[in-house]
Amino acid sequence: DIQMTQSPSSLSASVGDRVTITCRASQSISTYLNWYQQNPGKAPKLLIYAASRLQSGVPSRFSGSGSGTDFTLTISSLQPEDFATYYCQQSYRTPRTFGQGTKVDIK
Amino acid sequence: QVQLVQSGAEVKKPGASVKVSCKASGYTFTGSYIYWVRQAPGQGLEWMGWINPNTGATNYAQKFQGRVTVTGDTSISTAYMELRRLRSDDTAVFYCARSMGGWSDAFDIWGQGTLVTVSS
Repeated sequence: DIQMTQSPSSLSASVGDRVTITCRASQSISTYLNWYQQNPGKAPKLLIYAASRLQSGVPSRFSGSGSGTDFTLTISSLQPEDFATYYCQQSYRTPRTFGQGTKVDIK
Repeated sequence: QVQLVQSGAEVKKPGASVKVSCKASGYTFTGSYIYWVRQAPGQGLEWMGWINPNTGATNYAQKFQGRVTVTGDTSISTAYMELRRLRSDDTAVFYCARSMGGWSDAFDIWGQGTLVTVSS
């Protein structure tokens, strides 16, 4: 199985901050990488697919980059509704493994 | 609108089985794979398997092989996930999700989740 490792596991930030979350795959996955946001008690929501493509309806402050094994999710200016947990997921091979998550909370 | 609506919460005893439903609406059910994802309390997301509703083909994570069955009923646009021989550590929220298909295979629509509690 392809292992997905996110860092950090958690971070504290303030409204307006620029936030970067990284995701590393245990082998090359090209750009078969997706990012999800999950709020407590809610289902995950797709933010970014194919490493850098913004899902329809997602604010442009979210962006993704990377290829091969190293990927990043960036929130350019953190908003109150962005305090949540973020997961990366590879869709290169079955099983479609997820990272362990990065919790973004209020500083 | 495009949505997946799951069945309600369940409480089961160890050793029992549970069957969760996922009803699709707003799109052609047979046009997209449906995936199942488990999330234990306070934990991350774990992929369980998928079904191609058009052909009935399935694929399961090795961890769940032999205990899980995913099926689909195209007449009512509904997918099902049955998990057998439940253990206490199966207590989790189970989600169905639609694959957007194409090259990325990301999950663009999610059900609201179904909490399954396994307790004696």
